[in-house]
Amino acid sequence: DGGITQSPKYLFRKEGQNVTLSCEQNLNHDAMYWYRQDPGQGLRLIYYSQIVNDFQKGDIAEGYSVSREKKESFPLTVTSAQKNPTAFYLCASSMGVATEAFFGQGTRLTVV
Amino acid sequence: GIQVEQSPPDLILQEGANSTLRCNFSDSVNNLQWFHQNPWGQLINLFYIPSGTKQNGRLSATTVATERYSLLYISSSQTTDSGVYFCAVERGYQKVTFGIGTKLQVIP
Repeated sequence: DGGITQSPKYLFRKEGQNVTLSCEQNLNHDAMYWYRQDPGQGLRLIYYSQIVNDFQKGDIAEGYSVSREKKESFPLTVTSAQKNPTAFYLCASSMGVATEAFFGQGTRLTVV
Repeated sequence: GIQVEQSPPDLILQEGANSTLRCNFSDSVNNLQWFHQNPWGQLINLFYIPSGTKQNGRLSATTVATERYSLLYISSSQTTDSGVYFCAVERGYQKVTFGIGTKLQVIP
């Protein structure tokens, strides 16, 4: 099946620990994105990547890091510098500029 | 940056009723999508509609780019239509902005 796979679905971490969220796509899309959603809010862009080995900060990149070593994969690391990491994280991909974006099922991160 | 406003913020419908959701945006865009977020958080693509009108079953959408708004029509609503509907616009190179959504509840 073609699509975007995020794992894990639920993640619990202690405060002060870094954690990495996985995002894999087999749609042969060039562009990939990470969004954060807080309760009752829309989605906010964390990072995006237009092509392998290149990525750009979105609106709320502080406390997060990414890598894009393979076209299919765009992992997001939530570092201890992120002050309020508990949220729902969504990964998306698209062919490129002004094209339709498709989303994974999300990872719900809870930091205790 | 671009502002995206969705209305109404909340909507309760009796099953079988029709509704119109609106998305206003503050500047020209080169992409607009409508999504349905189900109770499990999954974002489902409804329409990719930077301009014009599209229909898919009981749903249809119209974007009037020159007047900076888009409408999503839901006819003969069903309980499975419940969830949050998001409008997302793209202006410039992959700067996608989401509205805060319309929360729809369809009751039997």
